[in-house]
Amino acid sequence: EDQVTQSPEALRLQEGESSSLNCSYTVSGLRGLFWYRQDPGKGPEFLFTLYSAGEEKEKERLKATLTKKESFLHITAPKPEDSATYLCAVLSSSNTGKLIFGQGTTLQVKP
Amino acid sequence: EAQVTQNPRYLITVTGKKLTVTCSQNMNHEYMSWYRQDPGLGLRQIYYSMNVEVTDKGDVPEGYKVSRKEKRNFPLILESPSPNQTSLYFCASGPFSSYEQYFGPGTRLTVT
Repeated sequence: EDQVTQSPEALRLQEGESSSLNCSYTVSGLRGLFWYRQDPGKGPEFLFTLYSAGEEKEKERLKATLTKKESFLHITAPKPEDSATYLCAVLSSSNTGKLIFGQGTTLQVKP
Repeated sequence: EAQVTQNPRYLITVTGKKLTVTCSQNMNHEYMSWYRQDPGLGLRQIYYSMNVEVTDKGDVPEGYKVSRKEKRNFPLILESPSPNQTSLYFCASGPFSSYEQYFGPGTRLTVT
């Protein structure tokens, strides 16, 4: 069964304190792994897609990486405006169109 | 402006009264999907559509219906809503080539 687990559930950082969020997955053939950001009461906002192990994507203070079993979202020198819930989702090659989301990591960055 | 719109944004209804939540996108995306989000359970896929007249079940399809008669619209139908369908619902669309999705603002549904 396809599964996605994110850790930690919650993370509190001081402004400027870099850290990483983890997304572990089990799928029968990975077609794509997606990262989203969600602010309270709003729809998730697309950040990155990763397709194969070794791939990396960057956007401002965020960098996503992918291995055969997990993905990391690295946050470098975070600012309070980076506070949000970060969601990871996977698309399996055997279940075209069916996305499985993790529970998310809620990040709080204090000034 | 490229966007996904949902209506209504908020809805309070009673058990058994049929309702429809509309979803429309103006980005010419082939792929559209419905999700519900509940505390502690995360975002779960209800139904998705790869293109017009092509729909398939997600993880939690029971109690819901969808149709895709036009590329831009993907309504979610609750024929006989029950209190356990009280939730925050999101519609999303994306290109078939990459499956990255763009979400609507959400519909908060309460069934009493």
